Amino acid sequence: DIQMTQSPSSLSASVGDRVTITCRASQGIGNDLGWYQQKPGKAPKRLIYAASSLQSGVPSRFSGSGSGTEFTLTISSLQPEDFATYYCLQHNTLWTFGQGTKVEIK
Amino acid sequence: EVQLVESGGGLVKPGGSLRLSCVVSGFTFSSAWMSWVRQAPGKGLEWVGRIKSNIDGGTTEYATPVKGRFSISRDDSKNILYLEMNSLKTEDTAVYYCIWRPWWGQGTLVIVSS
Repeated sequence: DIQMTQSPSSLSASVGDRVTITCRASQGIGNDLGWYQQKPGKAPKRLIYAASSLQSGVPSRFSGSGSGTEFTLTISSLQPEDFATYYCLQHNTLWTFGQGTKVEIK
Repeated sequence: EVQLVESGGGLVKPGGSLRLSCVVSGFTFSSAWMSWVRQAPGKGLEWVGRIKSNIDGGTTEYATPVKGRFSISRDDSKNILYLEMNSLKTEDTAVYYCIWRPWWGQGTLVIVSS
């Protein structure tokens, strides 16, 4: 099974901050990775697919990068509506989610 | 508009069974690979399993914690995806989501408790 290690598990940031979240795969997965945002009581929403492609309708402050085993989600300027939990998901071999990163207000 | 609507959740005793349904619309269900994901209260997302389209063989794959107890099936004539859950354990308590590509249902809550 492919394991996904996501870090950090939580972070505190202010509006306007640049935020970076990382996922590491236990083996190479090419670019078969997506990033999801989840708010309390809601289903997750995909932000990024194929590691770096922005989902339609998602603000351009969100970006993804990486391939192989190292991936990054960056929020260039954190907005109030971005406080949420973020997950990576590999779909190269079945599916595996990262453990999640809770982004909280500093 | 793509829609996925889960139902069938509820309270069940350990060892019991439950069948979840996911009614879909807005896309060609018969050619879709579908997945189930769950989320225990206050926890992260966990993949449960998936089913390929019948065109692609209709085969199923499951996560280790549910293998042998859960079964995914589909009725392409009714646009419904199913998750049959047997020998339920307290650790199966979660919100269960059905998923196609980026689209997720709203989820249905399963509580396994005596």
